Amino acid sequence: EIVLTQSPGTLSLSPGERATLSCTASESVSGRLLAWYQQKPGQTPRLLIYGASSRATGIPDRFSGSGSGTDFTLTISRLEPEDFAVYYCQQYFRSPNSFGQGTKLEIK
Amino acid sequence: QVQLQESGPGLVKPSGTLSLTCAVSGGSISSNNWWSWVRQPPGKGLEWIGEVYNSETGSPNYNPSLKSRVTISVDESKNQFSLRLTSVTAADTAVYFCARGADGYGYGHYWGQGTLVTVSS
Repeated sequence: EIVLTQSPGTLSLSPGERATLSCTASESVSGRLLAWYQQKPGQTPRLLIYGASSRATGIPDRFSGSGSGTDFTLTISRLEPEDFAVYYCQQYFRSPNSFGQGTKLEIK
Repeated sequence: QVQLQESGPGLVKPSGTLSLTCAVSGGSISSNNWWSWVRQPPGKGLEWIGEVYNSETGSPNYNPSLKSRVTISVDESKNQFSLRLTSVTAADTAVYFCARGADGYGYGHYWGQGTLVTVSS
């Protein structure tokens, strides 16, 4: 089973700042088969990024994904108030399709 | 636009069986996509339960931690897929989501709204 570790656990930033979230896999995620989701309290996870760097439909271009192998990054270039939420990565290269434990992005 | 809707009992007794259905609209359950279940215990992160491609292609894939208790199946006549989890305990209390992949891959492109299932006597 591929274990995904997200860091930091909590990230405190202000609107307008740049956010960098990391997702490290216990073994290589071939084909860059990694997705990122945003989840707000009481809501369904929202797909942001798939294939490590492809933005899902309707996702603003301030969200970008990068990385390969075992190290992946979600970057939010300039935080908007609505971006404060929990973010999860998921690998779908090998079953079980594991999730990271999440990074909480909170307002500083 | 594909839409998914979970349904099933919101309360299940310990040692009982949790059964949920995900109704699919705006698309066919027989299409070449992965159909999956994900759960989220209150205040915790997402846990992948398992996935099925369609009723004709291979076997479902399950989370090893649940494999002995879980069954995911497709009902093409009703355009839906189902989750069955046996021998439940309080640790199975969670919001259960169904999801559909895209491009032949198993990430969550479309999601249901989720349904809370509580295991309690």
